[in-house]
Amino acid sequence: EAGVAQSPRYKIIEKRQSVAFWCNPISGHATLYWYQQILGQGPKLLIQFQNNGVVDDSQLPKDRFSAERLKGVDSTLKIQPAKLEDSAVYLCASSFRDAPGETQYFGPGTRLLVL
Amino acid sequence: AQSVTQLDSQVPVFEEAPVELRCNYSSSVSVYLFWYVQYPNQGLQLLLKYLSGSTLVESINGFEAEFNKSQTSFHLRKPSVHISDTAEYFCAVSERSGGGADGLTFGKGTHLIIQP
Repeated sequence: EAGVAQSPRYKIIEKRQSVAFWCNPISGHATLYWYQQILGQGPKLLIQFQNNGVVDDSQLPKDRFSAERLKGVDSTLKIQPAKLEDSAVYLCASSFRDAPGETQYFGPGTRLLVL
Repeated sequence: AQSVTQLDSQVPVFEEAPVELRCNYSSSVSVYLFWYVQYPNQGLQLLLKYLSGSTLVESINGFEAEFNKSQTSFHLRKPSVHISDTAEYFCAVSERSGGGADGLTFGKGTHLIIQP
């Protein structure tokens, strides 16, 4: 079974530029998550989708971050414009069922550096 | 809202020695508890989790963790570590809600360093 796929793996941009990350969850997984992991910290949830609907985006900085999950499969996370403090690893995860305690499977992440 | 505290950012241990990685949490509601591991150059993967039942849970590679409700802790232990256990270990919680799946709240992680 293929795991969660993310691209690109690395991205370097200048502040005020825009950037987009792509995630393909494990086939059949209904729930998709985006996390931000700043160096030296644990991952922080940005947004959670159930199929193509948003369940929780309370920690998403909506003035610059946006995300979508068209057709309930792939997802894209966008930052526009980027700030220096957005430098982090962006992790995508998916889980099979919409049930409490369900295991989340993580992708390799996209490492973003904003100069 | 929940929070997770991993007091030790680094734990150096000699090979074949026992280890304990500490995790404490704070929450106004009941939670599920998880340990995730990140090996060098790999993604996060589930090590073990506590949902209900026996408070002692085990992983396939010899780790175990015990849920202590009174102390709000979920410490991870292994009686004898190997070089291959070198990794970053993250403790996480999610709400035990009656609805659907919830996002995880992670601690800052503990880097387990195995010395030969």
